[in-house]
Amino acid sequence: AQKVTQAQTEISVVEKEDVTLDCVYETRDTTYYLFWYKQPPSGELVFLIRRNSFDEQNEISGRYSWNFQKSTSSFNFTITASQVVDSAVYFCALSGTYKYIFGTGTRLKVLA
Amino acid sequence: DGGITQSPKYLFRKEGQNVTLSCEQNLNHDAMYWYRQDPGQGLRLIYYSQIVNDFQKGDIAEGYSVSREKKESFPLTVTSAQKNPTAFYLCASRFEITYNEQFFGPGTRLTVL
Repeated sequence: AQKVTQAQTEISVVEKEDVTLDCVYETRDTTYYLFWYKQPPSGELVFLIRRNSFDEQNEISGRYSWNFQKSTSSFNFTITASQVVDSAVYFCALSGTYKYIFGTGTRLKVLA
Repeated sequence: DGGITQSPKYLFRKEGQNVTLSCEQNLNHDAMYWYRQDPGQGLRLIYYSQIVNDFQKGDIAEGYSVSREKKESFPLTVTSAQKNPTAFYLCASRFEITYNEQFFGPGTRLTVL
């Protein structure tokens, strides 16, 4: 069975702190993709990153970085120097052949 | 501008009434999806469609119905058989059925009174 676990339900940080959102997945597929989405208060999910199962290189995009480790089945997301605009719910997702499996999300609150 | 539109943004209905949520995309995507989101929950798949005139049940299809008569449109009907329809509904689409990222619409918040 496929599963995505985001154990952190809610995280609060003060602006400019670094924060890491955890994502652990389960799958028996050898080929799969992992994703992160941001859901701001408006509700629309915004795509952040896609990573395939054969590429374990870390990714950095501005203040965002992602750490993919197949050995621990984790795909963690770090925001450096957080800002109030980063406040949102963040979802990790695993893509099977036809369907996505989403985690339950982590609500990030960045306080000014 | 290319994108996915959902209407209306807020919808109120009386218990026992069927209601149809609209989803339109002009991204030329083949696959379309409907998800339900409850407070503090992740997204649960209701239905998905890979091509026109074909669709498959997701994990929570009971009480819902869909149609895919055009590539651009994938409306969702919430029927009176859905026991707890109050939720946030998200429509998504993507180019190919496998592995590509999904793009989401702004969502419809349905409240049944």
